[in-house]
Amino acid sequence: QFVLTQPPSASGTPGQRVTISCSGSSSNIGSNTVNWYQQVPGTAPKVLIYSDNKRPSGVPDRFSGSKSATSASLAISGVQSEDEADYYCAAWDDSLKGVVFGGGTKLSVL
Amino acid sequence: EVRLVESGGGLVQSGGSLRLSCAASGFTYSNSWMSWVRQAPGKGLEWVASIKQDGGEKYYVDSVKGRFTIARDNVKKSLSLQMNSLRADDTAVYYCARVWSGSFYHWGQGTLVTVSS
Repeated sequence: QFVLTQPPSASGTPGQRVTISCSGSSSNIGSNTVNWYQQVPGTAPKVLIYSDNKRPSGVPDRFSGSKSATSASLAISGVQSEDEADYYCAAWDDSLKGVVFGGGTKLSVL
Repeated sequence: EVRLVESGGGLVQSGGSLRLSCAASGFTYSNSWMSWVRQAPGKGLEWVASIKQDGGEKYYVDSVKGRFTIARDNVKKSLSLQMNSLRADDTAVYYCARVWSGSFYHWGQGTLVTVSS
């Protein structure tokens, strides 16, 4: 089982706003920053959001991250077909002394 | 441009050993934490190990402690993962990653390790 909990799937139609949740605990999300990764099947993951809400250069501004207490969310405002991918949240866990990932959310754009 | 190129993957029997390497370029390697992350076929991402800039701190996921060793050479700008006592559940694509601002900011293309039982 994964330490961080994500819904296994999410979907939306082009232009819709989609959110993906990531639930953790006080030892990970509650005390460390959250990162989000996007992985198109067959390719390496890439960082989408780091330090809770920062976007690397080149990541469209329709992607945003937020965090509250022991939960985090990734929002895609105006989802596009090229956003179909798997999305993972991750954070350092102080108790486990390691990085923990969520199980991943497969986004379908209908 | 940051480049991370993994090598060393392949097919190995259960109980065997394999050494993965990662060649880094395009950034100040000696200033960066480095990590290995793996992904079993059809499964999610799993952090494996991380190493501090000077090699003085290393962290491992519990399932590989005592079997895997992460190391780095700052002169050669390379990262390695020595994997011993391999098991079927170690079968995965192994990614080398540069850590920046607490995230796996840059990733290699991955190298496949298959452990046959």
